[in-house]
Amino acid sequence: EAQVTQNPRYLITVTGKKLTVTCSQNMNHEYMSWYRQDPGLGLRQIYYSMNVEVTDKGDVPEGYKVSRKEKRNFPLILESPSPNQTSLYFCASSFFAGGDGELFFGEGSRLTVL
Amino acid sequence: AQSVTQLGSHVSVSEGALVLLRCNYSSSVPPYLFWYVQYPNQGLQLLLKYTSAATLVKGINGFEAEFKKSETSFHLTKPSAHMSDAAEYFCAVSDRGNYQLIWGAGTKLIIKP
Repeated sequence: EAQVTQNPRYLITVTGKKLTVTCSQNMNHEYMSWYRQDPGLGLRQIYYSMNVEVTDKGDVPEGYKVSRKEKRNFPLILESPSPNQTSLYFCASSFFAGGDGELFFGEGSRLTVL
Repeated sequence: AQSVTQLGSHVSVSEGALVLLRCNYSSSVPPYLFWYVQYPNQGLQLLLKYTSAATLVKGINGFEAEFKKSETSFHLTKPSAHMSDAAEYFCAVSDRGNYQLIWGAGTKLIIKP
């Protein structure tokens, strides 16, 4: 089954404790992206990747890191989480880097930072 | 810079009534336009998209949207609402040649029995 898989789905952590949210897709997509969703703000892009070893900042990259060592994986790293990073996070992928291509989303990872 | 406005953070309709969710964009050049739906506790999935073919676009689950260049709008409609349509709907736009999507803030559709 074609899918984007994120883990963990739910996480409660404390300020400053490094964490990684994994994202994997099995569709051989070149483009991958991370978003955060907050009430009333829609989706805001954190980082995106056009292909392996190519990553770029989105609209809200502060406090986050990413890597794209393999085509299928695009982990999101929070080196020192803070409460303002409490949010719902989505990973998405596409054959094309946006344009008219459909984005496929994971089911989301709800992060709470205390 | 491109922007997307969805009118109404919440829209409530009765089951069987017409659904109309509004989306306006700011580009002067016709962009690519999308509607995505998010059911509770799930990720987003594509409902329909406009990429410069027919201005009336049909999507899944009986939804359709009409691209109106003169009004810079791409409103989403469904003739008869069903309880299963309760979800949050997002409009998004990308400029041709630009690889990033700009998202609206979302509209939560509530269906009254």
